[in-house]
Amino acid sequence: DVKVTQSSRYLVKRTGEKVFLECVQDMDHENMFWYRQDPGLGLRLIYFSYDVKMKEKGDIPEGYSVSREKKERFSLILESASTNQTSMYLCASSLHPGTGVGQYFGPGTRLTVT
Amino acid sequence: AQKVTQAQTEISVVEKEDVTLDCVYETRDTTYYLFWYKQPPSGELVFLIRRNSFDEQNEISGRYSWNFQKSTSSFNFTITASQVVDSAVYFCALYTGGGNKLTFGTGTQLKVEL
Repeated sequence: DVKVTQSSRYLVKRTGEKVFLECVQDMDHENMFWYRQDPGLGLRLIYFSYDVKMKEKGDIPEGYSVSREKKERFSLILESASTNQTSMYLCASSLHPGTGVGQYFGPGTRLTVT
Repeated sequence: AQKVTQAQTEISVVEKEDVTLDCVYETRDTTYYLFWYKQPPSGELVFLIRRNSFDEQNEISGRYSWNFQKSTSSFNFTITASQVVDSAVYFCALYTGGGNKLTFGTGTQLKVEL
């Protein structure tokens, strides 16, 4: 059974804290993605990675950074969390997005910044 | 640029009613792929269907059916005899080959009540 796992389902952090969200996939996929999901705005791409140590900005990269040191792991970093980063964060992985199921998704991390 | 529009933010139906979720896409590419995903309350997006631009055949899978019409750039999703378990957010997505990204619509929240 293929899997994308995320380190936490729920997370509460304080303004200004550094936050790490971890994502691990066991399918040997080259591509990994971080999205945030907000009511009425759908899924917005923050960053994606198509190989180890490679990354590209998505549509809303401001305030975030990423790290991909190993193929199976893709981390999202909030350098200094702010209340407007309270959201649901979804990780996904894929081979070629036009094949199969497109992307496999993790269960999401609901982050609250107070 | 690619765009996916799901104009219906929220739909409420009574169990056993049929319901159609609309998806309209924009792209200048002639080769592209369309997807539907379901996001139940647990949070993880689940793949429902992938359709490529050269295959306009409608698809039926149990109570689910999809109507792909290139002439109107639409890929609508119908649930027949809806059930409470169909309650979820449904996303339509587009892949056109530019990078490895999917473009998502904003989602439609479907509520099926007894």
